[in-house]
Amino acid sequence: DAGVIQSPRHEVTEMGQEVTLRCKPISGHDYLFWYRQTMMRGLELLIYFNNNVPIDDSGMPEDRFSAKMPNASFSTLKIQPSEPRDSAVYFCASSPLRNTEAFFGQGTRLTVV
Amino acid sequence: KNEVEQSPQNLTAQEGEFITINCSYSVGISALHWLQQHPGGGIVSLFMLSSGKKKHGRLIATINIQEKHSSLHITASHPRDSAVYICAVSPTDKLIFGTGTRLQVFP
Repeated sequence: DAGVIQSPRHEVTEMGQEVTLRCKPISGHDYLFWYRQTMMRGLELLIYFNNNVPIDDSGMPEDRFSAKMPNASFSTLKIQPSEPRDSAVYFCASSPLRNTEAFFGQGTRLTVV
Repeated sequence: KNEVEQSPQNLTAQEGEFITINCSYSVGISALHWLQQHPGGGIVSLFMLSSGKKKHGRLIATINIQEKHSSLHITASHPRDSAVYICAVSPTDKLIFGTGTRLQVFP
């Protein structure tokens, strides 16, 4: 398996634009997590799914953020409209079972200007 | 107070030195994770442990559940060990992260 695949690796967009980040988890993994990493706050959980169902979205900062998992092999994190304070590295991770090792993607570095 | 505290925040060492990074947490957990992040790179899981000790090459992780404390040790450190080491705990399905320890190993 190629691991968790995220795209794009880098995204630069203007304030107010819609941004969509994509993630392909490892096949067979039941859990998918979206994290955000900033210098100020470190790594934070935004939302996670179990068997494609959102379980906890308490970390999603605002209604501008939304995440979907239409099937077991694909998830998106959307920001609309984007703001400069959304600039961060966004990581997707998957794990096979509850409380098992998490496998991280390479991250998407988002810059909103 | 953060639920996961790491120390030190920054650490420099000479090649060959023995290194210890500490992690304390304040919540009940089912497991503790040690992660490694290289500059500009992704995050790699080093260990997941719920008791005792685990060893992988020059890396050793220990956990004391009663004291809510874990340590990550690196023996015979090497410049390629330079990275940020992150402790994370899982009270439920999700991870709570420490702020990380930035390690630089000089030749």
